[in-house]
Amino acid sequence: DTGVSQDPRHKITKRGQNVTFRCDPISEHNRLYWYRQTLGQGPEFLTYFQNEAQLEKSRLLSDRFSAERPKGSFSTLEIQRTEQGDSAMYLCASSSLEGRGEETQYFGPGTRLLVL
Amino acid sequence: GDSVTQMEGPVTLSEEAFLTINCTYTATGYPSLFWYVQYPGEGLQLLLKATKADDKGSNKGFEATYRKETTSFHLEKGSVQVSDSAVYFCALSRTGFQKLVFGTGTRLLVSP
Repeated sequence: DTGVSQDPRHKITKRGQNVTFRCDPISEHNRLYWYRQTLGQGPEFLTYFQNEAQLEKSRLLSDRFSAERPKGSFSTLEIQRTEQGDSAMYLCASSSLEGRGEETQYFGPGTRLLVL
Repeated sequence: GDSVTQMEGPVTLSEEAFLTINCTYTATGYPSLFWYVQYPGEGLQLLLKATKADDKGSNKGFEATYRKETTSFHLEKGSVQVSDSAVYFCALSRTGFQKLVFGTGTRLLVSP
């Protein structure tokens, strides 16, 4: 079990540029989540996939954000026209259903974005 | 809506001291409860969980008991180590509502 991996680990960009992050979940997990964590806060939910279907999006996910999971395996999160307020840690998590509909999410190391 | 409230930090302790980090929640139904730990510059690691009332989750000397009557899930450890210094997050999820709802985190600093 290699765990959830994310790439890149750090990204510095200039305001107005587009950035794309990648998440590779644990191989047998069919659910994948993106969260955003700002300094001193807990992670906040952005969006969720079951296999390749995006089933839920937070209102935090403005139209500049798009996420895909084309083959139900890895996922990408793209931010267009970045703003300084997008600076945060972007966390990916994966899970699969356990007994009684329960699940446990396992997190990757995160991608830290700094928008200058 | 669902929410999690944690005690504010930082919590500063000497090595081998007893640790309690308070966590209370608001949710309808019977959520699952989690403690995650985040070391500097890293993502979150699952520390322990409990899925129903009176369950006790435990791992690495940490434990927490799901108390439905007080809507609490306090984290405890009998003897902390310097290596326990990190930020601890309490979180909940409800069956059918997949997202995790996190508290704001509590920073623990343990000195030798």
